Amino acid sequence: QKEVEQNSGPLSVPEGAIASLNCTYSDRVSQSFFWYRQYSGKSPELIMSIYSNGDKEDGRFTAQLNKASQYVSLLIRDSQPSDSATYLCAVNPLGGNTGKLIFGQGTTLQVKP
Amino acid sequence: DTGVSQDPRHKITKRGQNVTFRCDPISEHNRLYWYRQTLGQGPEFLTYFQNEAQLEKSRLLSDRFSAERPKGSFSTLEIQRTEQGDSAMYLCASSPTGPSEKLFFGSGTQLSVL
Repeated sequence: QKEVEQNSGPLSVPEGAIASLNCTYSDRVSQSFFWYRQYSGKSPELIMSIYSNGDKEDGRFTAQLNKASQYVSLLIRDSQPSDSATYLCAVNPLGGNTGKLIFGQGTTLQVKP
Repeated sequence: DTGVSQDPRHKITKRGQNVTFRCDPISEHNRLYWYRQTLGQGPEFLTYFQNEAQLEKSRLLSDRFSAERPKGSFSTLEIQRTEQGDSAMYLCASSPTGPSEKLFFGSGTQLSVL
């Protein structure tokens, strides 16, 4: 079993819809969770971080964390064609002060005009 | 813009040759990371430095790989006797001083081993 699992997709949604991206992780003691966006041919860019159970909102993005069920999700409201990219879920299993992250394989999102 | 800079952007080499990549982190960041990413996969952690000290290396980092950060500023990643399986994007990232897991990635070096 992979430590961080995502459905590779592609996930296709129409412009203006809500895109829902999911991620599960295997290490129950994981402390910190991140969503990175990666456009084709570009490097990953941090868009959300979440540390506590519940929801965290930032503009059109909402990250959700459920540690009991070991899943993290990212909701993108009012999806735009410019949101088309691969979304990487990353977990820091130990928390603390390092950027040693475990990434999932990423979910490709396609937003169709 | 003083983001993370990597050089070269692309490198094509023949199997068995040695290659070296350079990374210049954001100037005020004291932590520097190397990750490797293959097509369709997420980045995999290779190693990281705090200032000039290499604090952790992944089991993925065979003895053909060596990384340095001699003065706590730029870093180099060398791969000796390259193999076709080394073909990947090599990403460098840096993070600020203090408690931080937020990585700022460079554009990466795409390595192709023929």
